[in-house]
Amino acid sequence: KQEVTQIPAALSVPEGENLVLNCSFTDSAIYNLQWFRQDPGKGLTSLLLIQSSQREQTSGRLNASLDKSSGRSTLYIAASQPGDSATYLCAVPRSNDYKLSFGAGTTVTVRA
Amino acid sequence: NAGVTQTPKFRVLKTGQSMTLLCAQDMNHEYMYWYRQDPGMGLRLIHYSVGEGTTAKGEVPDGYNVSRLKKQNFLLGLESAAPSQTSVYFCASSWSGTSGETQYFGPGTRLLVL
Repeated sequence: KQEVTQIPAALSVPEGENLVLNCSFTDSAIYNLQWFRQDPGKGLTSLLLIQSSQREQTSGRLNASLDKSSGRSTLYIAASQPGDSATYLCAVPRSNDYKLSFGAGTTVTVRA
Repeated sequence: NAGVTQTPKFRVLKTGQSMTLLCAQDMNHEYMYWYRQDPGMGLRLIHYSVGEGTTAKGEVPDGYNVSRLKKQNFLLGLESAAPSQTSVYFCASSWSGTSGETQYFGPGTRLLVL
């Protein structure tokens, strides 16, 4: 069974600081890994999807890396802004299908 | 495009009552999913559907039933609500079951069972 862990559970940083969010998974035989953003009272929005053959994926200020062998992914957010305050979740498919295993998320607060 | 919508947004039930949560998507997606989100536990899959008229059990299906009579709608039913079913419920959809495909999520339904 795939277990997904995100540490820390919460993070508070001053505006402008770079954010580093961690995700670990127990079964390294993954097909991809996704990072989602969840705003309070809202649904999830997909940020980045990294295929198993990729080492990293970038979108604007966001960069996600993937190390399958160590069972880890890291989401970097450069020059954080108050608008980046949200909960960030990572998810991996359970096996070779579409059913996702989610981490509990890291709640980020960026202080102005 | 409304994307994925959920009805209702919030509901309070008494133990033993029943209710149905409605999920609708206008993206012509084949696959639809129901998740629950509890504090500190992430999202867990309750039931899913791979096409109109099909349903299948997910990780935590007990106490729930689902139906997919129309491609655009996926209903989640609670026949006899229990306090343990207090949670936030999310519906999601995707084009197909390809593991590299993004799922699109609705805004969620907050359910409180007293």
